[in-house]
Amino acid sequence: QQPVQSPQAVILREGEDAVINCSSSKALYSVHWYRQKHGEAPVFLMILLKGGEQKGHEKISASFNEKKQQSSLYLTASQLSYSGTYFCGTEIIVGNSGGSNYKLTFGKGTLLTVNP
Amino acid sequence: DTGVSQDPRHKITKRGQNVTFRCDPISEHNRLYWYRQTLGQGPEFLTYFQNEAQLEKSRLLSDRFSAERPKGSFSTLEIQRTEQGDSAMYLCASTNRWDRGFFRDGNTIYFGEGSWLTVV
Repeated sequence: QQPVQSPQAVILREGEDAVINCSSSKALYSVHWYRQKHGEAPVFLMILLKGGEQKGHEKISASFNEKKQQSSLYLTASQLSYSGTYFCGTEIIVGNSGGSNYKLTFGKGTLLTVNP
Repeated sequence: DTGVSQDPRHKITKRGQNVTFRCDPISEHNRLYWYRQTLGQGPEFLTYFQNEAQLEKSRLLSDRFSAERPKGSFSTLEIQRTEQGDSAMYLCASTNRWDRGFFRDGNTIYFGEGSWLTVV
């Protein structure tokens, strides 16, 4: 059930854009995106629910394609502070009611490095 | 600061000793999760509680691991007879969910700062 993230790592220069993908083999109830700095806990960025929802946070936005069971995180005009490891966490749909399985399963992460 | 607090933040213990971690979730949150994270990996699900009831426990959790959430407030995670492979960061997270997990606006899952365990 673990989602697959790609790429595993990306190096940017300040001001460049990046896309991080997250895909699942199971139908998804929601996708959560987190950023984690070395030695710190994951920090919540945004959550997307089934239904083609898109969310934005400053220059970081995300989309959710429930048919393809995938989500993408878009980072535009990257800043040095964007450096870190990005994780997607997925909740899968269980049963006929369309509800969640209640738990987040995380991908292995994408290491983003933004250089001056 | 997300409002989820964990204690201790760091623990060094000798192999074979028992350790206990505590998590205080955001006060109105009814769901509490424990995750384990090792270097270079994403957080791995261990267990979660709905109020005081432990609803699921990962197969990763051997019999040496036990978690409780008395009265649906704080939670403890105990590891007995620690092994070097238990060295990791143990993360606690909390949120509000009702009715088979249907999401309500704002019900983000928030993580604490984590408890680092080193078994020597």
